[in-house]
Formats: sequence, C-alpha cells, structure tokens
Amino acid sequence: KAGVTQTPRYLIKTRGQQVTLSCSPISGHRSVSWYQQTPGQGLQFLFEYFSETQRNKGNFPGRFSGRQFSNSRSEMNVSTLELGDSALYLCASSPGQIHGYTFGSGTRLTVV
Amino acid sequence: LAKTTQPISMDSYEGQEVNITCSHNNIATNDYITWYQQFPSQGPRFIIQGYKTKVTNEVASLFIPADRKSSTLSLPRVSLSDTAVYYCLVGDPGDGGSQGNLIFGKGTKLSVKP
Repeated sequence: KAGVTQTPRYLIKTRGQQVTLSCSPISGHRSVSWYQQTPGQGLQFLFEYFSETQRNKGNFPGRFSGRQFSNSRSEMNVSTLELGDSALYLCASSPGQIHGYTFGSGTRLTVV
Repeated sequence: LAKTTQPISMDSYEGQEVNITCSHNNIATNDYITWYQQFPSQGPRFIIQGYKTKVTNEVASLFIPADRKSSTLSLPRVSLSDTAVYYCLVGDPGDGGSQGNLIFGKGTKLSVKP
C-alpha cells in the first residue's frame, strides 16, 4: 500500500515568489492535513481538509492556503514568500480520524 | 490557547521502561490526545491515541488522568531503534477564535544506550 506522497522533495524559491506543494494521500483516506516544521517553532498545524472542505485551521496568515480535490489529493500554496517560510512542510492523511494521521516525508522549502 | 510542556531530552538504556509526560493545561474537551515518533529526515509516525484513562497497543501505553491536564507515554523495554523525538498533540479549546487548531509539544529527544 503506497504511503503519503509529497512533491517536490526539495524546493528553492526567492523571497516574494509563491509556491505550490502537492500531496497525494493514502488511497481511501479522505482527510488531509498540512504542517510546518522548523527548528525554532517545531511542528505547527496549518490546516486540515476533509472531502474538499477545510475543517480545521491553525494560526497562520492568509498567505498560506490550501485545497483538496475530489480524489482527495491536496495542494498547499504560500504566496509572497518570506525568509521565515523556509521549513519542512509535511502532509498527512487519515481515513477520517482527526489525529491518527500517516505522514509523508515532507517538502523542504528554502526561501532565499 | 492550549500550551504543552514536555521534557527536552531523556536518556535510557536498552530493556528499560521509559515514561514521557506531556503537560497540557487547557485542551479541547472533545479531542483525543495523540503521540507521535519522529526519526531524522522522516515525517512523524503515529504511536498511540487516547481520550481518558489508559490505552495500550502493541508498542506503547498511554495514561491520561481524569482531569486531562497531562498524558504519559510509556514505552516498555526500549531498544536502540527507539532513539527518536517524541511529540504529544492536543486540540486547542477554542478561546479567542483558535478552535480547530492542533498544538504539538516541542518534542522529547529520547536517547537509548546499549
């Protein structure tokens, strides 16, 4: 059974640009959530989608947005990138339980 | 806003039982408490989840007191491969519009020695 797949694995962007990250959940999982991990702030919850609807949201500015498609695949977008957005972005999926998630390996975003 | 506190690091030896406690003074009343394990360069891995009292699975036990102000992850007979960072995860109760937010602990780095 394939795990959670995140693409790309690594990304370098320039300050002010925007970026889109992709996540393919485990087949049959309808819930997808996104997280940011940095050495300073640790793991922080961004948002969660279930059946194409945002169900929960963390305390991030509006520059961070996401969406989920009918096949449960999800994308996360960050606009007007700042140096502080450099982080590991993790996606996780679940059959429907809120917290019993399976994580992907993440996308390492570097903003220069 | 929910706040969590975990020890930054813990040391243990192979074969010992390890207990990691997460203090969370103000969490959502209807959410589970969950623990994850993370190895370097990997995403977190689900270990166990509970709401109250004690939960046990094939790898760990989770103890949650009635007031839910803390939770303790218990790893029986640890091995070298249990060396990792362990995180607790709780739900925010929603004061000040933060309902729906999930809060991770800062993580406990467990080092298991031979």
